[in-house]
Amino acid sequence: DAKTTQPTSMDCAEGRAANLPCNHSTISGNEYVYWYRQIHSQGPQYIIHGLKNNETNEMASLIITEDRKSSTLILPHATLRDTAVYYCIVRVGENRDDKIIFGKGTRLHILP
Amino acid sequence: DAGVIQSPRHEVTEMGQEVTLRCKPISGHNSLFWYRQTMMRGLELLIYFNNNVPIDDSGMPEDRFSAKMPNASFSTLKIQPSEPRDSAVYFCASSLGGWFSVNQPQHFGDGTRLSIL
Repeated sequence: DAKTTQPTSMDCAEGRAANLPCNHSTISGNEYVYWYRQIHSQGPQYIIHGLKNNETNEMASLIITEDRKSSTLILPHATLRDTAVYYCIVRVGENRDDKIIFGKGTRLHILP
Repeated sequence: DAGVIQSPRHEVTEMGQEVTLRCKPISGHNSLFWYRQTMMRGLELLIYFNNNVPIDDSGMPEDRFSAKMPNASFSTLKIQPSEPRDSAVYFCASSLGGWFSVNQPQHFGDGTRLSIL
């Protein structure tokens, strides 16, 4: 089972900020939060990751709550090309042999 | 920069045939991963190599599946004999560092869409 909970789908108007939530209430202190997205017919694409501080790069911002039990991925100015399934992933457990678990993700629809 | 390159992009074959999927990781990356994606099961990790050595193959569904990495720039995933339930999109990914080195993201290829008739 994935250790994250995400809404199944979300809509966002083109040009607006898209805020994608993720709950990871069982996250351990040294586990990172990663975000990937998968555009139709393509492989998953890395977006951003963080540990406890908020992070920003050219694609998105990641806001992690102080207790680290949840996070939000922000696409500041969504475009139609941002329509994709977005996966929130945390490393499962402490063992280096633990697997990445891709859950169902959030299907984001950008509306023109 | 060249990303992860997979071939073929599409493969259609009859059940019982041998299928070989190929992957060229990003130059300099020392970890390689094979995933399978279906509507029912989502994205599943099949096997992980580090420095050309298989580290975790617990996701390989059964003995019909095998993977090799003869050198740092090439890997194969083979299914013999193939069955209709093997139909899926197979992705290869590579990264720097260890298994899921916490500061190194995985970079995925565009996948091979496999259909077994």
